[in-house]
Amino acid sequence: QVQLQESGPGLVKSSETLSLTCTVSSYSISSGYYWGWIRQPPGKGLEWIGSIYHSGSTYYNPSLKSRLTISVDTSKNQFSLKLSSVTAADTAVYYCARGDRYYDSSGTKGDAFDIWGQGTMVTVSS
Amino acid sequence: SYELTQPPSVSVSPGQTARITCSGDALPKQYAYWYRQKPGQAPVLVIYKDTKRPSGIPERFSGSSSGTTVTLTISEVQAEDEADYYCQSADSSGTYPVFGGGTKLTVL
Repeated sequence: QVQLQESGPGLVKSSETLSLTCTVSSYSISSGYYWGWIRQPPGKGLEWIGSIYHSGSTYYNPSLKSRLTISVDTSKNQFSLKLSSVTAADTAVYYCARGDRYYDSSGTKGDAFDIWGQGTMVTVSS
Repeated sequence: SYELTQPPSVSVSPGQTARITCSGDALPKQYAYWYRQKPGQAPVLVIYKDTKRPSGIPERFSGSSSGTTVTLTISEVQAEDEADYYCQSADSSGTYPVFGGGTKLTVL
């Protein structure tokens, strides 16, 4: 079955760039779907960070857009997240997930994140 | 920015029915999705397109929609249903996902 696995440093210094990669197995990213990043600060709720389509089109949370880059490498079947100028507020568990976008006659109706990675904890230290 | 509002907590006894609501202005136009998250685990999709259940999700889980409020209903609640539940939808364009704040379901 389709699996996603996050990887990257668990500790990042304040003001530096957080970089994570999600490796997808048993499904080719280039075949479709949206691929997203979601985070969860300790003891808090889920926050959508951004998503990328296999073609490279990106959608970013407006609150993070100025610091965020999401990219895809179809040759490695991976997609990546870079978040610059991090602070303690960026400390969280970071999940990658597959997004299944739905439509009807009126247009786009949102994404269901149907498959998730196990998550990776990233701590921003001062 | 667009927000989805959920009650922080819901408590029910085993065998009873739990109802978790989610309110948002764009919900009449956008689908709602629901996730269950147990401690230390990744979220799991339990309802999509307002009312559909993914394969492997028990029939006890159902979703409904009325105006600006969507509801996740869990019938015959079991101890294993104790978890955090999150609704998710999209802004009015349908492009940008938004999560509710989450509801902790306690089975008494």
